[in-house]
Amino acid sequence: SQQGEEDPQALSIQEGENATMNCSYKTSINNLQWYRQNSGRGLVHLILIRSNEREKHSGRLRVTLDTSKKSSSLLITASRAADTASYFCATRHGSSNTGKLIFGQGTTLQVKP
Amino acid sequence: DTAVSQTPKYLVTQMGNDKSIKCEQNLGHDTMYWYKQDSKKFLKIMFSYNNKELIINETVPNRFSPKSPDKAHLNLHINSLELGDSAVYFCASSRDRGSTTGANVLTFGAGSRLTVL
Repeated sequence: SQQGEEDPQALSIQEGENATMNCSYKTSINNLQWYRQNSGRGLVHLILIRSNEREKHSGRLRVTLDTSKKSSSLLITASRAADTASYFCATRHGSSNTGKLIFGQGTTLQVKP
Repeated sequence: DTAVSQTPKYLVTQMGNDKSIKCEQNLGHDTMYWYKQDSKKFLKIMFSYNNKELIINETVPNRFSPKSPDKAHLNLHINSLELGDSAVYFCASSRDRGSTTGANVLTFGAGSRLTVL
């Protein structure tokens, strides 16, 4: 079954605003990752948060993880037109030893200049 | 140098044909994957190889057959193509399957868009 589900499915904001995307999952996880996909391109890894971490930062990105609610959020601060892309969360099942990552359906972010 | 390269980038073919997509990574990674992305951008894992050993084989029609001649290459052969096979197929690799560090970060290729007419 699909592990990660993103919300909202689409988000449109003005340059300079913050963008928040949420991800929910169903089973216990080992780690949760966020990826970006520009139109017509492959996915690019952004950030990884382990199940024993609650918050992580990388540049303008902030990720939180709430394992009790089985949810994560990705915040992009001071957005730029270049942030326009689809964003996916991916989870690794807690007991998996195969490296299997299950992706959500993504949030499409449009940042208007 | 492209880290994960797939060929061809675009593939248009008729129903019933057989086609292959090739993937190569120059990262020295042990694990490689095939994912299928449908028109709604949903990414579903199909197969994974770790050092030429098949470790993930999802519920995929047996018309799809992966082959890994060495750990740097993972090819996907599809027999008797159907309309529903139209999608973007992504190859990816990771250093390992994360069994030691618990974290496997994927590096993706640019994708191969398959259109079956």
